Amino acid sequence: ILNVEQSPQSLHVQEGDSTNFTCSFPSSNFYALHWYRWETAKSPEALFVMTLNGDEKKKGRISATLNTKEGYSYLYIKGSQPEDSATYLCASQITGANNLFFGTGTRLTVIP
Amino acid sequence: DAGVTQSPTHLIKTRGQHVTLRCSPISGHKSVSWYQQVLGQGPQFIFQYYEKEERGRGNFPDRFSARQFPNYSSELNVNALLLGDSALYLCASSLQRTSTYGYTFGSGTRLTVV
Repeated sequence: ILNVEQSPQSLHVQEGDSTNFTCSFPSSNFYALHWYRWETAKSPEALFVMTLNGDEKKKGRISATLNTKEGYSYLYIKGSQPEDSATYLCASQITGANNLFFGTGTRLTVIP
Repeated sequence: DAGVTQSPTHLIKTRGQHVTLRCSPISGHKSVSWYQQVLGQGPQFIFQYYEKEERGRGNFPDRFSARQFPNYSSELNVNALLLGDSALYLCASSLQRTSTYGYTFGSGTRLTVV
């Protein structure tokens, strides 16, 4: 079992604020880091998959960075909107394994 | 195009019973993985099937089994249900066995064991 940790566990921000969360993972045997957005009663939606140290990816107001040497990834949301309210999951993938190791998620609530 | 579909969406079972959960992957996807999410935790890997063969197994007891059919749909079976098996069961599909393009998840089956 891989220890993937996310912080904070939950977060409340005002509409328009920018925010960020952290995902920590073991750097040994690293293969890929996945971010998912999961709204209540829906299916987890893939946001980013990153593989290279220093990778930065962006999708609209959401972006992510990756540091494989120290084993962390940041997810940033610029100008949060109520529709950004969801649980954000990160998952690590290691070489030789076909599955994902998930963190417990960061639950974001954006207050209008 | 339909996404990953899972059935049923909810069910309630009694301790000791068995249950079968079903998953249809995205058309063309040959890999199906099953995850269990208990309240307050992240999803935990149960099985992966690719091309109808088991390619990975998580740390779950032998009461859990699965299979993949020629059309790449999959079933997860759990025997002798325990209260602790109450969870959301997620199915994910991908084109290949190992994907760096992300996995597509279904919305899950909520199993309650009483």
